[in-house]
Amino acid sequence: GENVEQHPSTLSVQEGDSAVIKCTYSDSASNYFPWYKQELGKGPQLIIDIRSNVGEKKDQRIAVTLNKTAKHFSLHITETQPEDSAVYFCAASSSGGYQKVTFGIGTKLQVIP
Amino acid sequence: ETGVTQTPRHLVMGMTNKKSLKCEQHLGHNAMYWYKQSAKKPLELMFVYSLEERVENNSVPSRFSPECPNSSHLFLHLHTLQPEDSALYLCASSPTGTGGTGNTIYFGEGSWLTVV
Repeated sequence: GENVEQHPSTLSVQEGDSAVIKCTYSDSASNYFPWYKQELGKGPQLIIDIRSNVGEKKDQRIAVTLNKTAKHFSLHITETQPEDSAVYFCAASSSGGYQKVTFGIGTKLQVIP
Repeated sequence: ETGVTQTPRHLVMGMTNKKSLKCEQHLGHNAMYWYKQSAKKPLELMFVYSLEERVENNSVPSRFSPECPNSSHLFLHLHTLQPEDSALYLCASSPTGTGGTGNTIYFGEGSWLTVV
């Protein structure tokens, strides 16, 4: 089955700096890679996703890159703000029917004002 | 508001109790999921229902019993749980479909369960 590794497990950055979270996956059949943000006391919320036919996607301060050959994908947050502090999860899944999604272990991001 | 509503948000139960977690989705999706989230572990998929049929049961102990009466509602019935079952239980839903490149899973806010 699919295996998703995520690092770092914790990340502290100064407000305004950039944050990068990296993930690798093992199943070459995976073709959809969502990223979720989970704030304290809440469920994970989708913040951005990328599909296998695209190498990069950007949404304001958030960008995701995908290297299918190396089976790597990364989340980049620029100009970090205190409200970016949360746990971020990467995930990988393949298409068809319901979604069998494999999640990374999560990265706790702390943005220091 | 995520479109997936879970109740109760917090539950404390004894090991001999019977309780249920409820989930309702307002997104028109045909697949619903139960996940378990414990500290320092990846999200664990427990059960999947697609078009009201259980299609995935990931070696979950029988003290957890899911029920999906229709595509909008999902229950998790709890009976004789153990303290190690204390965790955040997340319900989720997604569209179904063949082909394409994946469908997004939408999570509820979760039900915090404490077994004493």
